[in-house]
Parts: sequence; C-alpha cells; structure tokens
Amino acid sequence: EDQVTQSPEALRLQEGESSSLNCSYTVSGLRGLFWYRQDPGKGPEFLFTLYSAGEEKEKERLKATLTKKESFLHITAPKPEDSATYLCAVNTGFQKLVFGTGTRLLVSP
Amino acid sequence: EAQVTQNPRYLITVTGKKLTVTCSQNMNHEYMSWYRQDPGLGLRQIYYSMNVEVTDKGDVPEGYKVSRKEKRNFPLILESPSPNQTSLYFCASSLGTDWDEQYFGPGTRLTVT
Repeated sequence: EDQVTQSPEALRLQEGESSSLNCSYTVSGLRGLFWYRQDPGKGPEFLFTLYSAGEEKEKERLKATLTKKESFLHITAPKPEDSATYLCAVNTGFQKLVFGTGTRLLVSP
Repeated sequence: EAQVTQNPRYLITVTGKKLTVTCSQNMNHEYMSWYRQDPGLGLRQIYYSMNVEVTDKGDVPEGYKVSRKEKRNFPLILESPSPNQTSLYFCASSLGTDWDEQYFGPGTRLTVT
C-alpha cells in the first residue's frame, strides 16, 4: 500500500533557528513529489516539485531535497511568517496522488 | 487573477438532502480534482478529471459524484449526504500532467447533521 509519512507532526522553532521537516514515502512508483504550505482556513499553496533523487529546489528560506526514500524541507533562519502546516504529496504513477498528514510549524519571535 | 473558486464556503445540511458544491477555475487547466481533509487523515482524493468528460475515482469516491461538462467547472455532488461526509473539501486544478503545481480553492466546510 502506498504511504507517505511526515515527521515531526508539530515543530516549534525560535525565529532564526534552522531545522528540517521530513517526508518519507513507500510507493509503487514515483512520478513526482510535491511540497505545499497550508495556512489556517486556506487551501494549500504549491511550493516545490521534485522528480528524481538528488534534485534540489530553493525558494527564499526554504530548500527541498529528494532521495530514493524521502524528502526534506529545510528551513533556514525561519521567521514567524513561515508558521504554517507543510504538506508533502507523492504522485504514485497511476494518476494517484497520496498526501501526508503534514507538519505544523510554529515560529516564535 | 488566476484562481480556483468554490461555493458555498460553508454549508450545514441534513442527512439525505442532495447538495452540490461548485468549483470553477480561470486558468484553462486540464486537470481538476476534489479532496476532503480530515484531522489525522490528511488530504484524500475523491475524484479527479484529466479533461472534459473524463473523470475517475480517487481514494474515497463512495457517496460522491462529479461531472466535467466544461473545462473550467468541476462540481461535486452529494446525492444523499451522511454525517460521515462532514469534512473540509478542496477543489484543485493544474495545467501540467502528473499533478504538478496544483492550485487549490479556498475550501468548503460541510457539516451534515
């Protein structure tokens, strides 16, 4: 069965304290791994797509990386406005998209 | 402005009363999809469509119907809602294949009593 697991469930950081979120997957085939940000009461907002092991993407304080079994979302020197839930999703190759349950990030000033 | 709109945003209804949640996108996207989001379960795909008149089941299609008569619209129909369909629903669209860069609507919070 295809599975996407995100850890930790929740993470509290001080402003400027860098950290990483993990998305591990067990799927029959990988045709893309996606990261989204979701603010309370809103729909998810697209951040990154990764297709192959070794690939990296960056946007402001965020950097996503991909290996054969997992992806990391690195947050460098976070600010309070980075507080949100970060979702990972995997296209398993049969027109099927599986989401993880997300990591709730809180960045305190 | 590129966007996905959903209506209504909030809905409280009773068991068995048919309802439709509308979804519309103005980006000429081929792919559209419906999800439900429940605490501890994450986003689960209900139905998706890769083009006009082409729809397929996602992970949790039971109790739902969809149609794609026009490219921009993808309504979600609950013909006989039940309390276990109480959830937060999102519509999404994407231009690319393989679900790349989906744009999500603002969500519809549905309560079935």
